Amino acid sequence: KQEVTQIPAALSVPEGENLVLNCSFTDSAIYNLQWFRQDPGKGLTSLLLIQSSQREQTSGRLNASLDKSSGRSTLYIAASQPGDSATYLCAAGGQGAQKLVFGQGTRLTINP
Amino acid sequence: GAVVSQHPSRVICKSGTSVKIECRSLDFQATTMFWYRQFPKKSLMLMATSNEGSKATYEQGVEKDKFLINHASLTLSTLTVTSAHPEDSSFYICSAPLAGSLYEQYFGPGTRLTVT
Repeated sequence: KQEVTQIPAALSVPEGENLVLNCSFTDSAIYNLQWFRQDPGKGLTSLLLIQSSQREQTSGRLNASLDKSSGRSTLYIAASQPGDSATYLCAAGGQGAQKLVFGQGTRLTINP
Repeated sequence: GAVVSQHPSRVICKSGTSVKIECRSLDFQATTMFWYRQFPKKSLMLMATSNEGSKATYEQGVEKDKFLINHASLTLSTLTVTSAHPEDSSFYICSAPLAGSLYEQYFGPGTRLTVT
């Protein structure tokens, strides 16, 4: 059974810093790894999707990497801004790809 | 991009009553939709897969008689929480993948259910 873990559970950094969020998964037989953003009381916004054959994906200030062999993914946020404050969730897509197993999330606070 | 809506966004009900939550894909057809539950400060837990024209598939530990799912059309799935109790209070989120796509999946904004 796939288990996804995110560390740290919460992170607070000053504005402008670069930061890395970590995600680990127990079953390396994934079809994809996705990163989402969730604002308080809201649904999910998809940020990046890495297919199992890819190593990384980039969108603007965000870069996500995937290392299947070690069961890890990272989300790198460059030049953080207060508007980046949210909870970031990673999710592993396994067999049937559409069914996602989520991590617990990292609650990120960017301080002005 | 594709949009998924949920209705209502918030609902408060009394113990013992039933509550229906709708999930709609607004500009695409979805033969499959997923229902998740999220406890405060916790992650999303997949409850069930809703299949258009057939019975829903429930994850282990989810009571199918408690959480009734009906996929009435290619754009609508409903989750009914029957005989709700305070422990059913939670944030319920649906998602819908684009038909034929393994990867593109769109999430609704969620429904906050509070049972008093």
